[in-house]
Amino acid sequence: QVQLQESGPGLVKPSETLSLTCTVSGGSISSYYWSWIRQPPGKGLEWIGYIYYSGSTDYNPSLKSRVTISVDTSKNQFSLKLKSVTAADTAVYYCARHFSTYCGGGSCYPVPLHFDYWGQGTLVTVSS
Amino acid sequence: DIVMTQSPDSLAVSLGERATINCKSSQSVLYSSNNKNYLAWYQQKPGQPPKLLIYWASSRESGVPDRFSGSGSGTNFTLTISSLQAEDVAVYYCHQYYNTPQTFGQGTKLEIK
Repeated sequence: QVQLQESGPGLVKPSETLSLTCTVSGGSISSYYWSWIRQPPGKGLEWIGYIYYSGSTDYNPSLKSRVTISVDTSKNQFSLKLKSVTAADTAVYYCARHFSTYCGGGSCYPVPLHFDYWGQGTLVTVSS
Repeated sequence: DIVMTQSPDSLAVSLGERATINCKSSQSVLYSSNNKNYLAWYQQKPGQPPKLLIYWASSRESGVPDRFSGSGSGTNFTLTISSLQAEDVAVYYCHQYYNTPQTFGQGTKLEIK
């Protein structure tokens, strides 16, 4: 059974950089797309960005200037960095796996589809 | 961005009754080359991460009770719980993975009447 676990500081000061790591167990990080999603307290879900195991990324334009997602396949981990944080970045941060294969017309393709596994989430508070 | 709008924002249904949640996308999430709708539904209980219920708009995830079903195509979608159970109290989200940025509906809170 695939399991994802977020880790990192629960408190970050304004203007500093939020850094989180997601450790994948029970399966390989290879051949999948992996995302970070956040949820401010009492609010809805916002997709931050994804990374393919090979290192290719795509980010939400609303956060693109501040976000970096990286992967370490040797550790079965991927990470999030969000710089210049403000109180508006306070949220539960989730890592999640995309179901990542579409097969059709006799071929299969890597595509970031729905989220089939999620971490438990970690609350990050931005405050001085 | 594709905007996903759910209705209603909250819903109270009696045990054993049907619950219906709607999701409308600002543009079609139907990919014409494969005739698939890139739309999923999740259930989120307090203090827990979202749980996948439905993908491709109408395919039920393994282990999800068959009282949950998804329907719709193009821009209009529905999640139906045929006979509400106490454990179904949660917030439900639709999610489009047709393009990036991937986006979610604002959520629908389902309660027992």
